[in-house]
Amino acid sequence: QQQVKQSPQSLIVQKGGISIINCAYENTAFDYFPWYQQFPGKGPALLIAIRPDVSEKKEGRFTISFNKSAKQFSLHIMDSQPGDSATYFCAASRNNAGGTSYGKLTFGQGTILTVHP
Amino acid sequence: KAGVTQTPRYLIKTRGQQVTLSCSPISGHRSVSWYQQTPGQGLQFLFEYFSETQRNKGNFPGRFSGRQFSNSRSEMNVSTLELGDSALYLCASSFGQGAEKLFFGSGTQLSVL
Repeated sequence: QQQVKQSPQSLIVQKGGISIINCAYENTAFDYFPWYQQFPGKGPALLIAIRPDVSEKKEGRFTISFNKSAKQFSLHIMDSQPGDSATYFCAASRNNAGGTSYGKLTFGQGTILTVHP
Repeated sequence: KAGVTQTPRYLIKTRGQQVTLSCSPISGHRSVSWYQQTPGQGLQFLFEYFSETQRNKGNFPGRFSGRQFSNSRSEMNVSTLELGDSALYLCASSFGQGAEKLFFGSGTQLSVL
């Protein structure tokens, strides 16, 4: 019930194209869904995050689409650039009954994105 | 503003030894979380500390432990190292308790021989 499944494992996109990464979760108690970007030799960096009360959130070229009924969310990277080549992780966390989460992110397995120039 | 600092960057140990990893959070951040990253298992939550108290723990054996000091700096310790403990250990900090807006360090790469 704690799993987050991410696909695809790897993705190759041409410069200027759209990159789409999908995640599915099982635990309906999850209420915070971030996406992280990781470059080799670095820790993950928060890209964008969404809560289930909205269906879409956009920040620059990055958009999260959220489907609560399907328990799925996805990351869209518009106008993909070679500098976007990295590993992307979706994640999810839940709040306890008192509304305070405990810092536990459940991560997907990651997607290696390669953007060709 | 300095980011999350983890030391050492690389560490080589042998089976049976113990190791201590250090994490200095972003100034003003009071919560520190630890994650293990391996190619096979991905990113897995180890534990979270807030105001020197462990608030949550992942599914790791008791050989993995941690603590947080009054200045919010944190250490994690792994005793009786096993080959399978080889991993990148990541520390993340946030201002408040919880999983939102976590800032990760670059990690400590531990190799157990």
